[in-house]
Amino acid sequence: DIQMTQSPSSLSASVGDRVTITCRASQSIGKYLNWYEQKPGKAPNLLIYAASSLLSGVPSRFSGSGSGTDFALTISSLQPGDFATYYCQQGYSAPYTFGQGTKLEIK
Amino acid sequence: QVQLQESGPGLVKPSETLSIDCTVSGGSINSDYWNWVRQPPGKGLEWIGYMFYSGSTNYNPSLKSRVTISVDTSKTQFSLKLTSVTAADTAIYYCARARYSGGHYYFDYWGQGTLVTVSS
Repeated sequence: DIQMTQSPSSLSASVGDRVTITCRASQSIGKYLNWYEQKPGKAPNLLIYAASSLLSGVPSRFSGSGSGTDFALTISSLQPGDFATYYCQQGYSAPYTFGQGTKLEIK
Repeated sequence: QVQLQESGPGLVKPSETLSIDCTVSGGSINSDYWNWVRQPPGKGLEWIGYMFYSGSTNYNPSLKSRVTISVDTSKTQFSLKLTSVTAADTAIYYCARARYSGGHYYFDYWGQGTLVTVSS
């Protein structure tokens, strides 16, 4: 199985801050990496697929980068609704695995 | 707009079989990949498996011996069965559609999730 490791596990930030969450794969996965946002009591919501392709309707303050084993999700200017848990997921090969999550909290 | 809705038992006894259905509306089940993902309370996400509309399946090896996913195209519904459950199977179970495009596999529509507790 491909192991996905996110860092940090939690992050405190303020509205307006720029934040970056990283995700590392245990082997090269090209650009087969997706990012999800999950709010308490809700299902995950796809933000970015193929490492850097923003899903239609997702605000442009979200961006993704990386390839191979190292990836990043950046939020350029945090908004109140962005405080949530973020997960990366490799779509390279089954079993499709997720990172452990990064909880983004208000400072 | 595709919508998915899980329906499940809520409580299952240890050693019994967990069964959950997912009803798909607003789109056809005769395409794409239909998945189950679970999340133990307060923990991360685990992919359980998928059924492709044609009937082919792929299961997580960690659960493969206990899992069956099936599709009923006439009801636009797909189902999960997990046998011999233990407390470790207590989780929120999500159904999700996955797109496989250009080699990229991603979950673009999710149900709201249903909590299944394994307890006597």
